Amino acid sequence: DADVTQTPRNRITKTGKRIMLECSQTKGHDRMYWYRQDPGLGLRLIYYSFDVKDINKGEISDGYSVSRQAQAKFSLSLESAIPNQTALYFCATSERASVNTGELFFGEGSRLTVL
Amino acid sequence: QKEVEQDPGPLSVPEGAIVSLNCTYSNSAFQYFMWYRQYSRKGPELLMYTYSSGNKEDGRFTAQVDKSSKYISLFIRDSQPSDSATYLCAMTIGNQFYFGTGTSLTVIP
Repeated sequence: DADVTQTPRNRITKTGKRIMLECSQTKGHDRMYWYRQDPGLGLRLIYYSFDVKDINKGEISDGYSVSRQAQAKFSLSLESAIPNQTALYFCATSERASVNTGELFFGEGSRLTVL
Repeated sequence: QKEVEQDPGPLSVPEGAIVSLNCTYSNSAFQYFMWYRQYSRKGPELLMYTYSSGNKEDGRFTAQVDKSSKYISLFIRDSQPSDSATYLCAMTIGNQFYFGTGTSLTVIP
């Protein structure tokens, strides 16, 4: 089983629908992140959480919200999806000290298409 | 201007070639420098990291950092078809990660 699991892996939805992407991890890490990846734009940070009571906006948080339900679970919501939110979304985790090593552990991604 | 610039490629080389992947950056406060590898339909995985100017070698891979020129490179010797992937450079300031856009590499058998 993967250490960082994302569900769903693929989702097609319509404009205006509410969508939730879920992430769970078995690595025991405190820090969790949501990124989106677009061709030509690379990975951009949406939200991050350093522990259960900590939520921080990233570079592109508008139109998104998150919930850290437990140390192991971090979900991303699109309250009203729009077509330019079509992208590949990654959840990632890290240990507190791993900023020195750059070790982010990524899930396999959730591909979202908004029609 | 993005803080981290990376040529997106695509780059196509024959098996056995030496590959050079590069990134430039603008912020001299970046502390740690990394290369991630991302296979198709997978998440990125850390390949190498370093924090000082100079070279760091790991098998067929060498990471090079030149802080005076704000330039980092990844060299792959004796490239293999299994090296075909997208390579992303990344850098950190404090707790924040900054990624390049990635270079797509194909190694042709």
